[in-house]
Amino acid sequence: QVQLVQSGAEVKKPGSSVRVSCRASGGTFSSYSISWVRQAPGQGLEWMGDITPIFAKTNYAQRFQGRVTITADKSTGTAYMDLNSLRSEDTAIYYCARHYYDSSGPDYLYSWGQGTLVTVSS
Amino acid sequence: DIVLTQSLDTLSLSPGERATLSCRASQSIGRYLAWYQQKPGQAPRLLIYDASNRATGIPARFSGSGSGTDFTLTISSLEPEDFAVYYCQQRSNWPLTFGGGTKVEIK
Repeated sequence: QVQLVQSGAEVKKPGSSVRVSCRASGGTFSSYSISWVRQAPGQGLEWMGDITPIFAKTNYAQRFQGRVTITADKSTGTAYMDLNSLRSEDTAIYYCARHYYDSSGPDYLYSWGQGTLVTVSS
Repeated sequence: DIVLTQSLDTLSLSPGERATLSCRASQSIGRYLAWYQQKPGQAPRLLIYDASNRATGIPARFSGSGSGTDFTLTISSLEPEDFAVYYCQQRSNWPLTFGGGTKVEIK
């Protein structure tokens, strides 16, 4: 069973950038896509995008296009989510999650990281 | 984008009662729907996928049904640990989308 371990909490200034990492242990990394999902305080779940490491293929939600970049390092089994031009509305818990099926299509989210709180405040 | 609507924000029930949660899609998604459970301070957990298949380790009291645009999650007899927020999610097309969630609270 794969486990996903995310990097620690971040506090950022408006206009800056943040990088959150997600390291997989156990199971196969490259052939399963990893999605990033965020949850603002007291709110629901919002999908941001995903990557299939074996193909380095990405998909992004339109509202984050141009502001988010998702990458993966197959050698270390780690996925990264970079979000730039941060604003206060980006304050949220950011989760990585491994897809259920080993395909590059849209999928369910099976194994989740513990979440990383990103706080954007001046 | 496919919009998923969970009509109930909150469902107040007692332990042992049956819970019925609904999720409606803005267009047909076949059976490409999942349900997740989220407890405070925790990541979501996959319960049901492809509308009616229980994920590994999920108790039999959880069941899912539906196809097309209307889906239901049923908890046959609520246990104390089942009081949580439940989300539906579709994988019919990008972007992946979630419903707004239904909180099942203790009455």
